[in-house]
Amino acid sequence: KNEVEQSPQNLTAQEGEFITINCSYSVGISALHWLQQHPGGGIVSLFMLSSGKKKHGRLIATINIQEKHSSLHITASHPRDSAVYICGFADGLTFGKGTHLIIQP
Amino acid sequence: KAGVTQTPRYLIKTRGQQVTLSCSPISGHRSVSWYQQTPGQGLQFLFEYFSETQRNKGNFPGRFSGRQFSNSRSEMNVSTLELGDSALYLCASMAGTTDTQYFGPGTRLTVL
Repeated sequence: KNEVEQSPQNLTAQEGEFITINCSYSVGISALHWLQQHPGGGIVSLFMLSSGKKKHGRLIATINIQEKHSSLHITASHPRDSAVYICGFADGLTFGKGTHLIIQP
Repeated sequence: KAGVTQTPRYLIKTRGQQVTLSCSPISGHRSVSWYQQTPGQGLQFLFEYFSETQRNKGNFPGRFSGRQFSNSRSEMNVSTLELGDSALYLCASMAGTTDTQYFGPGTRLTVL
């Protein structure tokens, strides 16, 4: 069993929809990392969080360390949000397999 | 500050050959991590170097090796290439232990 599980694996939605991507993990960690990877390969760090909630523009990330669960939300989704979203431990050793998100106009 | 750079960006090799990939971290960053990314397995950790010392190692065979130089630039080497080594190889740098990682654009390796 993977230490980090993401759901859904694939998600297609219409522009403007509220998007939620989930990340569950099986071991205790101090912080979690959310990454975004656009087609072509480049990976960008979105959030590093150890508790509560962080917001950047239309992106919101939440984490519950006790329940070993984190969510990434996208409000008013746009086609440019189409990417692979990856969660992983902050030490960089373990990542989920990613959620492929497609936002259709 | 310049971002993380990786060379080459694309590489085609044949089975049995060896390959060396290079990564230059962001100036001042002493940690460099390497990852293999494939469609089936996602992002998998290879190894991490910090101040020229390997600090962590993932579950990959000994054909995969790396090193870090005094200027923090890092190289990874894969010997006796196999078809399954075809992947995107990414490196990431960070300043400390659990700071934000900054990823390079990756090297796309194809093994024929």
